[in-house]
This record gives sequence, C-alpha cells and structure tokens, in this order.
Amino acid sequence: AQSVTQPDIHITVSEGASLELRCNYSYGATPYLFWYVQSPGQGLQLLLKYFSGDTLVQGIKGFEAEFKRSQSSFNLRKPSVHWSDAAEYFCAVGAVNNAGNMLTFGGGTRLMVKP
Amino acid sequence: GAVVSQHPSWVICKSGTSVKIECRSLDFQATTMFWYRQFPKQSLMLMATSNEGSKATYEQGVEKDKFLINHASLTLSTLTVTSAHPEDSSFYICSVPLEGYSYEQYFGPGTRLTVT
Repeated sequence: AQSVTQPDIHITVSEGASLELRCNYSYGATPYLFWYVQSPGQGLQLLLKYFSGDTLVQGIKGFEAEFKRSQSSFNLRKPSVHWSDAAEYFCAVGAVNNAGNMLTFGGGTRLMVKP
Repeated sequence: GAVVSQHPSWVICKSGTSVKIECRSLDFQATTMFWYRQFPKQSLMLMATSNEGSKATYEQGVEKDKFLINHASLTLSTLTVTSAHPEDSSFYICSVPLEGYSYEQYFGPGTRLTVT
C-alpha cells in the first residue's frame, strides 16, 4: 500500500529565509505526487504536481519541488519565504483503490514564519 | 481550476441530532466526489467516494449508516452525519477529481462540525 511521510511536524523560518519541506513516499509504481497548502480553516490549494518528465517542477507562489526517485522523495522548496506562507503543507501521492483513483496524504508540516 | 463549494462552512449541533453538509461543483459536472475528514492538527483521511446515481464507496472503518452520502446530481453531493456525537466533531472536506487528470482533485473550503 502507498504511504507518505512528512518527517517535520513543525518548521519555523524567518521571513526572507529559504525553505525546504521534506516528503518521502512509498509506492510500487511511478508515483503521481502533489503538494497542497491549507490555510487555517480553509480547504486545500494545489501548489504543484509531478506526473512525469522534468523532475524539477514549478508551482504557484514561487514554490518548486524536486522528484528524486532514488530517494523516494518530493521535497518542496522556496528561496525566500513570505509571512503569508505560514500555513499547513501536505504532500500527497496518487494511487488506486477499489473506488478508483485516490490521494494518500502525509501528516502535514506546519510552517511558521518569524518576522 | 475547478470551483468547489461547501455549505455550511461551520455548524454546531447537539448530540443525537443529524447534520447535512453539501458539496457543490460549480463549474463542471462531477460523477465522482470525495469526502475527507480532518481532525485538528492532523492530516486528511478519505472517508468515502461519492458516485452519482449509485451507492457511495466507504473506506474501511467508516460507518456507512452513520455517514450517509447522497450524490443525486452531477453537481451536488451531500454528507449527512446521523445521530452525531462529540467525537464526530471534525473538519469535513469534499473534493472533485478532474476528468482526464489522474488523481488530481480540487477541494472545497471545508465544513467545521462541532457537536455539543
């Protein structure tokens, strides 16, 4: 069965500093990978996705992620964090269950931004 | 991207009562919708897959008689929490998969349910 691990539950960075959020997945086939962001009390917004091709994918809000098959990782990065980036970030892998296509989410990483 | 709405955004109910949550796909027809549950500071857990015109598919451990799902039209799915108890208090989120885009889903803003 597929699984997603986000090792860091909380991360605090200073505004303007760089950011990397870790994501490791377990899936037997070629993974479809996603990063979503959730602001307090809100639904999820898609930041970026990887299906195939270039392993470095660009997303919205200045985020990027790199797929590394050898490490089973899909880490999210941003060169300069803004205070508005404070939120919960979820990595997810696409898989198939008896109902069809589904997403399996990691536990999430809460990002706090210091002024 | 797709626009998905949920109503209500926040609801408080008394223990033993039932609550209905609506999920609407505003700009395209959805034969499938997903319902998730998210406890505070936790991840999303898939509860069930809602299928237009047929029965929902529930994930293991989810009580189908407690969480009733109806997908009566291509733009509306409802989740009814029956005989709610305080432990049902949670954030309920629906999503709509995009046709032709494997696994990609667009999420509603969520409904916060508090059972007193």
